[in-house]
Amino acid sequence: EVQLVQSGGGLVQPGGSLRLSCAASGFTVSTNYMSWVRQAPGKGLEWVSIIYNSGGTYYADSVKGRFTISRDNSKNTLYLQMNSLRVEDTAVYYCAREGASGSYVNWGQGTLVTVSS
Amino acid sequence: DFVMTQSPDSLAVSLGERATINCKSSQSVLSRSNNKNYLTWYQQKPGQPPKLLIYWASTRESGVPDRFSGSGSGTDFTLTISSLQAEDVAVYYCQQYYTTPRTFGQGTKLEIK
Repeated sequence: EVQLVQSGGGLVQPGGSLRLSCAASGFTVSTNYMSWVRQAPGKGLEWVSIIYNSGGTYYADSVKGRFTISRDNSKNTLYLQMNSLRVEDTAVYYCAREGASGSYVNWGQGTLVTVSS
Repeated sequence: DFVMTQSPDSLAVSLGERATINCKSSQSVLSRSNNKNYLTWYQQKPGQPPKLLIYWASTRESGVPDRFSGSGSGTDFTLTISSLQAEDVAVYYCQQYYTTPRTFGQGTKLEIK
C-alpha cells in the first residue's frame, strides 16, 4: 500500500527556516515525480515545487530562491527546505506523488506551517 | 503560466439532482502527440487532502463512483455529478499537468440545497 507520512511543520518567526519531510512507503521516491502543494487557511490549492525522477527541480515564482526540494534515496523520503519564511507562506503543506497519468494519485496527510511573530 | 478558471465559485444542488462545474484553461492542454488532455479533477473535504477523481479529462480513477464524469477538450472542461449524494459535499478543483508549473483552478464549493 502506498503511503506518504509527513512531518516537520510548526510555528516559525518571519525570516526563519523549517524543513518538511515526507516519508514514502509502497513505492520508490526516486523513480517518481514528487511535488509539494500548499493551501493557505480557507484558500485553494497552490502548487509549490516538483522534483523529477531525473533529479531536476522546478519552483513556483512565489518560493523560488527560498525553498529547496530534495530527496534522500536511502530513506525514501522527500524534503522541502524552507528559508526566509514570510507570513504569506502560512499554509498546510502537502507532498504528492504523480501517477503514470501525471495526476497526483497519492497525497500526504498535510502539515501546518505557521509563520508569525 | 497556464491560468485555470473555474465556474461557479460555489454551487448548491438538491440531492439527486445534477451538478456541473466548469474549468477553463488560458491555453490548450491537449497534446497533439497523444491526443490526450492533461486535465484532472480533485475532490477535497474539510481537513483532508485532495482526492483524485478524474484524469486525462475524462478517465475516472479506480473506485470513484460512476456518477462522476469529466468531459471537454482543449481549453474547456466540465465535471458532472449526475445525481448528487450527501457525501459529495466538498470543494472541487481542476488542475492542468500539461506543463510546469502545474496550476490549479480556484476551487468550486459544492453544497446541498
